[in-house]
Amino acid sequence: AQSVTQLDSQVPVFEEAPVELRCNYSSSVSVYLFWYVQYPNQGLQLLLKYLSGSTLVESINGFEAEFNKSQTSFHLRKPSVHISDTAEYFCAVRAYDSSYKLIFGSGTRLLVRP
Amino acid sequence: EAQVTQNPRYLITVTGKKLTVTCSQNMNHEYMSWYRQDPGLGLRQIYYSMNVEVTDKGDVPEGYKVSRKEKRNFPLILESPSPNQTSLYFCASMVGINSNQPQHFGDGTRLSIL
Repeated sequence: AQSVTQLDSQVPVFEEAPVELRCNYSSSVSVYLFWYVQYPNQGLQLLLKYLSGSTLVESINGFEAEFNKSQTSFHLRKPSVHISDTAEYFCAVRAYDSSYKLIFGSGTRLLVRP
Repeated sequence: EAQVTQNPRYLITVTGKKLTVTCSQNMNHEYMSWYRQDPGLGLRQIYYSMNVEVTDKGDVPEGYKVSRKEKRNFPLILESPSPNQTSLYFCASMVGINSNQPQHFGDGTRLSIL
């Protein structure tokens, strides 16, 4: 079975400051890793994903995440945040098997202040 | 435009009054799933479907039913809703067997059971 831990329920940060949202997972098999973003009153949108290959993955809006197998982590980072980045961010994993089950963390609310 | 459509977006109803939340996808995806989102718990899977006429329980199936008579539709049925089913619900779809692609989510349905 897999599990995902997002230790920070809320991260307040000032505009243009860097941010890191932490995600740790546990799994007995290899996994695919995802970050989803949920803007207020909207559904979940895929932000970025790690499937294989380079451990550093980037999104089109400046976020990046690094897969660290030894630490079983997939932290999300952005060097300079904007007010528009205010949202809830979910880390999720899916096992390398025929199961399609997506296991979510409890979410981290990023609150960007001017 | 590729999308997952849920209806209604908002519903307030009373205990015991049967309701159905519809979900439709236009991507010809084989896999569809229902989640509920509750504060501090992230998203938890209710039911999923691998293909037409193939459905199975997720982590929190009690009090819910689903059907998959057509590939594009996956309705969620609450036969006798109770207040503990007040939540934000998401439908999702994914390509299918052995896919490493992410799930696509609808915009959500906020249910309030009084």
